[in-house]
Amino acid sequence: QTVVTQEPSLTVSPGGTVTLTCASSTGAVTSGYYPSWFQQKPGQAPRTLIYSTSNRHSWTPARFSGSLLGGKAALTLSGVQPEDEAEYFCLLYYGGILVFGGGTKLTVL
Amino acid sequence: EVQLLESGGGLVQPGESLRLSCVASGFTFSSCALSWVRQAPGQGLEWVSGVSGSGGATYYADSVRGRFTISRDNSKNTLYLQMNSLRAEDTAVYYCAKDLSSTRAQKMDVWGQGTTVTVSS
Repeated sequence: QTVVTQEPSLTVSPGGTVTLTCASSTGAVTSGYYPSWFQQKPGQAPRTLIYSTSNRHSWTPARFSGSLLGGKAALTLSGVQPEDEAEYFCLLYYGGILVFGGGTKLTVL
Repeated sequence: EVQLLESGGGLVQPGESLRLSCVASGFTFSSCALSWVRQAPGQGLEWVSGVSGSGGATYYADSVRGRFTISRDNSKNTLYLQMNSLRAEDTAVYYCAKDLSSTRAQKMDVWGQGTTVTVSS
């Protein structure tokens, strides 16, 4: 069974920078896993931030960026805002099957 | 504006069936793969199933394969999820999500607001 692993929780100060990562139990994450990142706030549906490793949607603020880092997919938030406090999920593609990570709860404090 | 509206959720007993629908608007429906994603109470997201734009290719998570069937009617701009032999662990909010790809779910963009399924005796 494929497992996708994220940090359970992270804390960042307003205006700071934080990187969330997404690892695959099958090995290094590459662009072929089409990493995506989603933001979810309490009581709301998820919102897609990043697809195919580093592509932002039209609604994604520029302070969110995606990359590959040390064999993992990564989401970096630069100049964190209070409204960025949320849970963040990554998603990896395994040849037709998709697997979400367990999510990272980001606290802005 | 792209919109996805799920319906069909409700309370059912273990072993029963339910069919979810997702009506789409604001984009060329047949050009986009679609997925169902669920979220159990207090838990993370779980991808359930995906279908290509034509409907000819379908994909399932191991947890639902053989019990759930995804389909689409491109003439009605509607995605379906037929859920049979429901179990308590299928209790969740079910979301449909549109993809930028036409062949398989790889690049989700817009999500619906979800419909709640509760399996309990």
